[in-house]
Amino acid sequence: DAGVIQSPRHEVTEMGQEVTLRCKPISGHNSLFWYRQTMMRGLELLIYFNNNVPIDDSGMPEDRFSAKMPNASFSTLKIQPSEPRDSAVYFCASSLRDRLAAEQYFGPGTRLTVT
Amino acid sequence: AQKVTQAQTEISVVEKEDVTLDCVYETRDTTYYLFWYKQPPSGELVFLIRRNSFDEQNEISGRYSWNFQKSTSSFNFTITASQVVDSAVYFCALSEAAGGGNKLTFGTGTQLKVEL
Repeated sequence: DAGVIQSPRHEVTEMGQEVTLRCKPISGHNSLFWYRQTMMRGLELLIYFNNNVPIDDSGMPEDRFSAKMPNASFSTLKIQPSEPRDSAVYFCASSLRDRLAAEQYFGPGTRLTVT
Repeated sequence: AQKVTQAQTEISVVEKEDVTLDCVYETRDTTYYLFWYKQPPSGELVFLIRRNSFDEQNEISGRYSWNFQKSTSSFNFTITASQVVDSAVYFCALSEAAGGGNKLTFGTGTQLKVEL
C-alpha cells in the first residue's frame, strides 16, 4: 500500500513568493496532520483535520499560513508570502481515527528553503 | 499542559552494545498515549510503538523493548545489540485523550549514533 505522499520533496523559493505544499494521505485514513520541523523548534503541529474538517489550527504561526482539505485524499498547505524564517521541513501525516490517539503515519516531508 | 522530555541529546555507542533512550512525560490526564518514532538520516518519521496509559506491560519487538513506568512518568526505549542501521534520531511523543486524542506532543529527540 502507498504511504503518505507529499510533493514537492524540495522547494526553493524567494522571499515574498507563494508556496503550496501538497499531501495525499493513506487511503481510508480520516485524520490528517501538518507538522513543521526545524532545528530550533523541533517538531510542531500546525493544523489537523478530521473527516476533511479543520479541528485545531492553533499551531499555524500566522495569517500567512493556510491549509485546506477539499476531499479525503488531498490537502494543501499554503504560505503567502513566504519568508526566510519559514524554511523548514514540512511533514504531512495521516491516521485512522477509529480509536483515540491512533498512530500517525508520516510522509517523506517537503524541505522548503526560502531565500 | 503536556510535555515530553528527552534529556539525552546525543548518544554514541559501538555496535552490539545495548542502549537505552530515556523519555519522561508530564500530563494531567489519567488517559493518555505514548509513542516512539524513528527518524533515520533519510528524514522520514517511522512509527515504532504506541502504548496507552492503562497498559504498563513492557513490550519487546525483536531487538527493541520498551519500559513504561507510570510511577516515574517514564517510557524508556532500549535497543539490544545495536547495529549501525539503528543510527537515527528517536522521538518520544505523548497524546492526551482529552480533546479527541489527536494531538501529538513530541520530545526534542535523541540522536543515536552506532559506530563499528
